[in-house]
Formats: sequence, structure tokens, C-alpha cells
Amino acid sequence: KNEVEQSPQNLTAQEGEFITINCSYSVGISALHWLQQHPGGGIVSLFMLSSGKKKHGRLIATINIQEKHSSLHITASHPRDSAVYICAVSSGGGADGLTFGKGTHLIIQP
Amino acid sequence: NAGVTQTPKFRVLKTGQSMTLLCAQDMNHEYMYWYRQDPGMGLRLIHYSVGEGTTAKGEVPDGYNVSRLKKQNFLLGLESAAPSQTSVYFCATRGDRGWVGNTEAFFGQGTRLTVV
Repeated sequence: KNEVEQSPQNLTAQEGEFITINCSYSVGISALHWLQQHPGGGIVSLFMLSSGKKKHGRLIATINIQEKHSSLHITASHPRDSAVYICAVSSGGGADGLTFGKGTHLIIQP
Repeated sequence: NAGVTQTPKFRVLKTGQSMTLLCAQDMNHEYMYWYRQDPGMGLRLIHYSVGEGTTAKGEVPDGYNVSRLKKQNFLLGLESAAPSQTSVYFCATRGDRGWVGNTEAFFGQGTRLTVV
């Protein structure tokens, strides 16, 4: 079973700061997902990646397959970025679902 | 395009009562999943389905049953609710065709269930 670890668990930063959230996993994967969950809300997929780097607006996700590590970066952070960010991985065929990290609770203060 | 819709969104049950959570999707996805989310823990897989008429157990299946009679619907049942089943339940779908390993996941808005 894949073990997914995220760090930090909690992060408070000032508006405008550059944010990095890390994710490591123990077993080879077919894809890694970054998800966002606002308080009391549903879960939204931000990125799915199996190699390299992806960018969407102010969000950047990278993955290093050899080191079994991924990072999610937020540039020019804003209070509306406050949310829980969840890393999840799928292994093999992926039919049996994702394995999730515990999430990183991010608060951006104005 | 509604995506993935869960009903109900909130529910309070008394211990021993039964209920069914409905997940409906309009993306023609083969794969559907029920997860539970508890404080301090990552989402955990309860049951899943790889197509109409199929179901399989996940990591924490005890106390739950599921059915997938129609491709677009995945039902999660609690026959006799217990306080330990107080949680937020999420339905997810993946894969409209082919290998699902590298396809995006889509989630419902969640069902907040309290068992007293």
C-alpha cells in the first residue's frame, strides 16, 4: 500500500508570499493528483501529473518520479487561496481508487 | 453539466437507523468510488465500482453496502448506523474509457452525516 506524506500539515502566510507544499510517496505510481478543498466544501482537482511540471494561473505543480516527490507552488498568494490542499496518488491500473495524504491546511492572511 | 451530484448534503441519523446516499454522474464514467473523510486522516476508500453491475470492497467497507444498477448511479447504504460512521462522505468518478490510472478524478460536494 502506498504511503502518502504531506508537509507542512498547517501553513499560515501573508498575502503575496510564495507558497510551497510538499508530497512524498513510498511506491511507484501511475499519476499524482493535487486537490483543493475549501472549508465545508467539495473537492476540486487542480492537477494530475505523471512527470515534469504543470502550470495553471498562479499554481505550479512539479513531480520527481525518481525521488517519489511532488511540490505544489502558489505564487503571489491571496486570501482566496486559503483551503486544504490534498495530494493523492494512483498506482498500477488505478481502478481501485486513490491513496490520499492527510492534507495541508493553508491560511493566507491579508 | 452537473458532473457528480451527491444527495443528501446533510443528514442526522439515530443509532440503528438506515439510510442510502446517492451519487449520480453525467460524464459516462466507468469508475465510481465512495470515500469517507475524518479529521486528521486522509480520505479512505469504502467501496468502488468498475462498471455497471460491479462492486468491490475498499479499505474500510464494514458497515456499508453499495449497488451500481445503472452506470450513472452509485448508491452507498448504511443498514444500521453507528456513531463511528459519523463522517463526511465523498463520491468520485474517473475514466470514461481505457486505462484509468492516469485520468482525472471528479468529486461530489460531499455528504455530512452525523450519527447520534
